Amino acid sequence: DQQVKQNSPSLSVQEGRISILNCDYTNSMFDYFLWYKKYPAEGPTFLISISSIKDKNEDGRFTVFLNKSAKHLSLHIVPSQPGDSAVYFCAARGSNDYKLSFGAGTTVTVRA
Amino acid sequence: GAVVSQHPSWVICKSGTSVKIECRSLDFQATTMFWYRQFPKQSLMLMATSNEGSKATYEQGVEKDKFLINHASLTLSTLTVTSAHPEDSSFYICSANTGVFYGYTFGSGTRLTVV
Repeated sequence: DQQVKQNSPSLSVQEGRISILNCDYTNSMFDYFLWYKKYPAEGPTFLISISSIKDKNEDGRFTVFLNKSAKHLSLHIVPSQPGDSAVYFCAARGSNDYKLSFGAGTTVTVRA
Repeated sequence: GAVVSQHPSWVICKSGTSVKIECRSLDFQATTMFWYRQFPKQSLMLMATSNEGSKATYEQGVEKDKFLINHASLTLSTLTVTSAHPEDSSFYICSANTGVFYGYTFGSGTRLTVV
């Protein structure tokens, strides 16, 4: 049962514009959320995270928004750059569990 | 920063043979390591959690006798795919808990192809 869902398998955006990636979760025990970026044949690299006590976290071009009531989070990348082209995974965990649950990923393509 | 080294990056083996994948934390002690498997264009599926000095905890549906995990030290965990078959071909990734609350670092992954 997929507890973390990324319903958009792909996203194409023009360079300089905003990329918005969405993620939904079903487990109300999740209290920490992470976004990872992954290139083919490489391991995921950490981008940004957010705790359930916050509704927004910002780090440079990356901002994550959390809507607990809707069990929804989003990652905003602005401005998008060609190097942002990759697969982005949303992940979540509970406070008493070290295990991460991953979404299926969204492939972002930034067009020049 | 925390670095996790995973080797080999790719391996081709014959059906019936065993393959060992190593995951090392280079500059920190990893009390907990995780092993994932990723099929093409799919999510990372957790296979097992290994804690140093104790038996690994396998996720439902993962054969522990087929995927042997050893976490003998705080810096090394190994995954051995025993009697490999073509359906075991996949991308395997390890991850280590960095000890910082909620911190995880991933290895670069291993592409296993069984022919």
